[in-house]
Amino acid sequence: QKEVEQDPGPLSVPEGAIVSLNCTYSNSAFQYFMWYRQYSRKGPELLMYTYSSGNKEDGRFTAQVDKSSKYISLFIRDSQPSDSATYLCAMTQTGANNLFFGTGTRLTVIP
Amino acid sequence: GAGVSQSPSNKVTEKGKDVELRCDPISGHTALYWYRQRLGQGLEFLIYFQGNSAPDKSGLPSDRFSAERTGESVSTLTIQRTQQEDSAVYLCASSLEVALQETQYFGPGTRLLVL
Repeated sequence: QKEVEQDPGPLSVPEGAIVSLNCTYSNSAFQYFMWYRQYSRKGPELLMYTYSSGNKEDGRFTAQVDKSSKYISLFIRDSQPSDSATYLCAMTQTGANNLFFGTGTRLTVIP
Repeated sequence: GAGVSQSPSNKVTEKGKDVELRCDPISGHTALYWYRQRLGQGLEFLIYFQGNSAPDKSGLPSDRFSAERTGESVSTLTIQRTQQEDSAVYLCASSLEVALQETQYFGPGTRLLVL
């Protein structure tokens, strides 16, 4: 079993839709949760960072962490064509030297 | 300021050849990471450098893989006797400090194809 599971998609939505992206994980020690956005032929860039459980909002983006269910989500409101990219969840624990990534979900927002 | 840069952008090689990939981290970043991204898979941790400490090599998949970093500057990832399964995008990232809550800044990657 992979430590982090993420539906690879692809996911296509019309412009303006609300997008929900999700990951599950198996390691209960994970405390730091991130979402990265990766455009084609580019490196990932950090989009959202959350520590432990709870919600975090930044503009059109909301990250949710439910540690009891080992489930994290990223919501994108009023999606735009420029949001078309691959979204990677990542997480780690205190003392680890690296991040554990999901496979990424490829999102296309259709104008 | 300049971000993380990697070279070459693309590399095509024949099975059995050695390749060397280069990463220039952001100036002043003490931590440097190498990841591998295979098609349809998530980023896979390879190796981590922090200042002058001994690197964490726990992610290297075989002894054909090695990496070096001089101080807090350039790092090179070397793959010896390349195999077709080594074909992937190799990503380098750097961060200001070792704490993983510090943002990791990624380079654009080197796309390696082993024929």
